[in-house]
Amino acid sequence: EVQLVESGGGLVKPGESLKLSCAASGFTFSYFSMNWVRQAPGRGLEWVSSISSSATYKYYEDSLKGRFTISRDNAKNSVFLQMNSLRVEDTGLYYCARLSGSSWSFDQWGQGTLVTVSS
Amino acid sequence: AIQLTQSPSSLSASVGDRVTITCRASQGISSALAWYQHKPGKPPKLLIYDASSLESGVPSRFSGGGSGTDFTLTISSLQPEDFATYYCQRFSDYPLTFGPGTKVDIK
Repeated sequence: EVQLVESGGGLVKPGESLKLSCAASGFTFSYFSMNWVRQAPGRGLEWVSSISSSATYKYYEDSLKGRFTISRDNAKNSVFLQMNSLRVEDTGLYYCARLSGSSWSFDQWGQGTLVTVSS
Repeated sequence: AIQLTQSPSSLSASVGDRVTITCRASQGISSALAWYQHKPGKPPKLLIYDASSLESGVPSRFSGGGSGTDFTLTISSLQPEDFATYYCQRFSDYPLTFGPGTKVDIK
C-alpha cells in the first residue's frame, strides 16, 4: 500500500524556519517526482514545489523562490521542504503528493502537516 | 503563467442532480489536466486524469471532458458523499496551478 506521511509542522514565529519531511513507502520512491501542496485556512489548494526523481529539476511557486527549498533522499525514501523566513501567510496544511508516473495527475497524497506562523 | 478559472465558485444541488463544473485555462494546455475532490480533514482525492480518464476506483458517475482551454467535470447523479470542493489542476508546464475550486453543497 502506498503511504506518504508528512511530519515537521508546528508553531513558529514570523522570520523563523521549519523543515518538513515526507516519508514514502509502498512504491519505488526513486522513480517518481514528488511535490508539496498547501492549503491556507479558508483558501484553496496551492502548488508549492516539485522535485524530479533524481533531484535534477526543482520547481517553485514564484512567490516562494528564495525562501523555500525542496530536496529528497532516495536512500531514505523521503522528500523535504526547508522553509525559511516564514510569514504569517505561510500558515496552512502542507501536503506531500506523488506525481503519477503514467498520467498528468497527483495520484497519491499524504494526510498533511500543519504549519502555523504567528507571533 | 497560465491561469485556471473555475465556474461556478459554488453551487447548491440535490441528491440525484446532474452537476457540471467548468475549468478554463488562459492558454491551451492540451489534455494536461486533472480533477480532485477535497473534503475537510482529508487529503484531496484524484478523480480524473489527462482531462477525461477516470481514476481507478472512482465511481462512473464522475466524468471529465474537454481539451485545449475548456474542461468539464460532470457528476451524473449527485450522491450524499459527493458534497465537497472540487479542484482542477494543470500540468502543461510549471507552475502546476490549481483552479480556485468549486464548492458543492446540499440544497
